[in-house]
Amino acid sequence: EAQVTQNPRYLITVTGKKLTVTCSQNMNHEYMSWYRQDPGLGLRQIYYSMNVEVTDKGDVPEGYKVSRKEKRNFPLILESPSPNQTSLYFCASSTPGFTEAFFGQGTRLTVV
Amino acid sequence: DAKTTQPPSMDCAEGRAANLPCNHSTISGNEYVYWYRQIHSQGPQYIIHGLKNNETNEMASLIITEDRKSSTLILPHATLRDTAVYYCIVGYEALNFGKGTSLLVTP
Repeated sequence: EAQVTQNPRYLITVTGKKLTVTCSQNMNHEYMSWYRQDPGLGLRQIYYSMNVEVTDKGDVPEGYKVSRKEKRNFPLILESPSPNQTSLYFCASSTPGFTEAFFGQGTRLTVV
Repeated sequence: DAKTTQPPSMDCAEGRAANLPCNHSTISGNEYVYWYRQIHSQGPQYIIHGLKNNETNEMASLIITEDRKSSTLILPHATLRDTAVYYCIVGYEALNFGKGTSLLVTP
């Protein structure tokens, strides 16, 4: 079954404690991306990657890092989380051009 | 990427066709029109996409005007499970979601 898997689904952490949200896809897709969703602001792109070792900033990259060492994985790293990064996060993957993107089920992050 | 304009909300009676409009007057020649939907707080789901021609699949139809400045997503027989936020996205290399249209299908 085609899947994008994010872990964890829920996370509560404290300010400044480094965390990583993992994302894995089983469709051999080249394109992967991360979004955050906040009430009233819709879905905003954080980072995207068009292939292994290629990453680019989206609309709201500040405070986040990503890496793409393998095609299937695209982890989102928060080196020093802050309360304004409390949000619902989605990972997505697709064939080139972001056509027919598949999204994960989301990670609800709370930073206190 | 071109910006899109959608009504913030719409209602539709169950069993009727839901027609969701989208304006994208600044679309450029190589940009596709994509439609996604998001049910509650689940991950967005791809519905359909097109470049110039009208498209149809098992979920919906996409009608793009000849000048490509607007489009309409048609759900031919809306059900309660179609209640969701529908996003019209125009672009080529990235999906930039706006705020979408919140569609409420009523019994």
